[in-house]
Amino acid sequence: ILNVEQSPQSLHVQEGDSTNFTCSFPSSNFYALHWYRWETAKSPEALFVMTLNGDEKKKGRISATLNTKEGYSYLYIKGSQPEDSATYLCNTDKLIFGTGTRLQVFP
Amino acid sequence: EAGVTQFPSHSVIEKGQTVTLRCDPISGHDNLYWYRRVMGKEIKFLLHFVKESKQDESGMPNNRFLAERTGGTYSTLKVQPAELEDSGVYFCASSLRDGGLYEQYFGPGTRLTVT
Repeated sequence: ILNVEQSPQSLHVQEGDSTNFTCSFPSSNFYALHWYRWETAKSPEALFVMTLNGDEKKKGRISATLNTKEGYSYLYIKGSQPEDSATYLCNTDKLIFGTGTRLQVFP
Repeated sequence: EAGVTQFPSHSVIEKGQTVTLRCDPISGHDNLYWYRRVMGKEIKFLLHFVKESKQDESGMPNNRFLAERTGGTYSTLKVQPAELEDSGVYFCASSLRDGGLYEQYFGPGTRLTVT
């Protein structure tokens, strides 16, 4: 993998469903991975900074894991709510962004 | 604490004109980044300042783009002359320190439309 890739591109879930999506990145020369939440018409908001293989971070119903050896991170949202609707972005070392996963949670 | 601010929020100019975008980072943040998002595509890095010095400008698309950060406070990004493909949203972000470990705080962006 040469770039940061995110999947799926978009996701539609019902309120209360749990969901997860993936950020894949080059595993060589890895330093840090950032997750952001980006609501329409607003600026990206930092969620997590992760550096160590096996790292797990949690903020409320949102959590993330990191595997630096295979080059991926998962973001999990437990019990999705309509206010979780946003685009979730990841980037490495602040320079290379993925295209994002656009999440829509229907009531 | 005031966040990262950007001005203007929206600019519409004609091809060939000049536009200057401004970013005011969070006070005390030495690191300032410029990014651009072209319609429907991912956010692309443009450049990174540490105080007034350009740490990395590998993402600047061509010499029509000029970024400055005199005095290490606010930064400007000038596009001269603007082309149609320069349209997009220009984001600025700042962080206290670099090294990838520190959170970035993004500004609201400037939407540039070149007609």
